[in-house]
Amino acid sequence: KQEVTQIPAALSVPEGENLVLNCSFTDSAIYNLQWFRQDPGKGLTSLLLIQSSQREQTSGRLNASLDKSSGRSTLYIAASQPGDSATYLCAVQGNTPLVFGKGTRLSVIA
Amino acid sequence: EAQVTQNPRYLITVTGKKLTVTCSQNMNHEYMSWYRQDPGLGLRQIYYSMNVEVTDKGDVPEGYKVSRKEKRNFPLILESPSPNQTSLYFCASSQQGYGYTFGSGTRLTVV
Repeated sequence: KQEVTQIPAALSVPEGENLVLNCSFTDSAIYNLQWFRQDPGKGLTSLLLIQSSQREQTSGRLNASLDKSSGRSTLYIAASQPGDSATYLCAVQGNTPLVFGKGTRLSVIA
Repeated sequence: EAQVTQNPRYLITVTGKKLTVTCSQNMNHEYMSWYRQDPGLGLRQIYYSMNVEVTDKGDVPEGYKVSRKEKRNFPLILESPSPNQTSLYFCASSQQGYGYTFGSGTRLTVV
């Protein structure tokens, strides 16, 4: 059964710092991996989708990488801002329905 | 605008009173699913549907029902809600390989 782990569970950084969020998964037979952002009590906003054949995707200050063979993905956030404060969720799509990690709660301090 | 619409956004009900949470998508997606989100447990799938009239259980289906009579709609039914079903619920849709779109969520409280 696919399991997704996100480390760290929480992270606090000063504004302007570059940071990396980690996601690992146990079954490398995936179709794609998706990173989401969730603000407290709100819905999930899709940030980046990486297909299994891709190594990385970029959107603005965000860059996500995928190493399918080792079961790892990272989300890199450049020049962090207080508005980046949220929970970041990693989810993988394989033969089973979408499986989520429990997220990393990010706080960016001004 | 491409979106998944859930209603209601907030609901407080009493134990045993049947309720339905509606979900509709306007992207012609084949795949739809329901999740619940609880503190410390993350997002867990309740039911999913690969297409019209095709539904299957997720990780936590007990106490829930779904139907998929039309491609755009996927309602979640709680026949006899209990307090342990108090949670934040999300509906999602996708087309294979194109990622998921989530609704804004329904916060359900069962007293």
